[in-house]
Amino acid sequence: QSALTQPPSASGSPGQSVTISCTGTSSDVGGYNYVSWYQQHPGKAPKLMISEVSKRPSGVPDRFSGSKSGNTAFLTVSGLQAEDEADYYCSSYAGSNVVFGGGTKLTVL
Amino acid sequence: EVQLVESGGGLVQPGRSLRLSCAASGFTFSSYWMHWVRQAPGKGLVWVSRITSDGSITIYADSVKGRFTISRDNAKNTLYLQMNSLRAEDTAVYYCSTNAGGGPYYWGQGTLVTVSS
Repeated sequence: QSALTQPPSASGSPGQSVTISCTGTSSDVGGYNYVSWYQQHPGKAPKLMISEVSKRPSGVPDRFSGSKSGNTAFLTVSGLQAEDEADYYCSSYAGSNVVFGGGTKLTVL
Repeated sequence: EVQLVESGGGLVQPGRSLRLSCAASGFTFSSYWMHWVRQAPGKGLVWVSRITSDGSITIYADSVKGRFTISRDNAKNTLYLQMNSLRAEDTAVYYCSTNAGGGPYYWGQGTLVTVSS
């Protein structure tokens, strides 16, 4: 049950795009199209931003998009806005359990 | 509107027990698998356990296997987490969540469990 690997930090200026990676193995990210991405602001509960690799739940801006290549998933935030500054976590189904990434702190410069 | 409200957290001594509850509303609770996820202070999210819609199958993270028990009462729309033999490293905010797309979907606001003497 090893955690997925995310970069600890990422940053971009308002209006720019930033991509966060999430690397697992063929037993989790690479084996299933069940990767999710969550946004968490300080002191708040996580919020689902992307489900099943690339599906956006209702109400999530289309500036957020997800993709996957092999054992690595990606979250791209386009047109960065100040309110996008938060921690982002990926997760993947792993056969019976769920595994999370360590989180990436996104800073809007 | 989906609502998940956790309760039962608090300060507990090492080795003691605690039971968390998660009251669900706004959706057909009995149709969904559910998860517990925890987050230690200043740390990342860690998956703890999940249960199928009818409660027949439960899965646990290795770190809690044999100490924690997930269960549900579909008549009461409530999810539970019985935590026994608590350790300092179990200190965290515990979130319940619905399952969709292979993982947690809607989340509650969390309840803080502090294990300390």
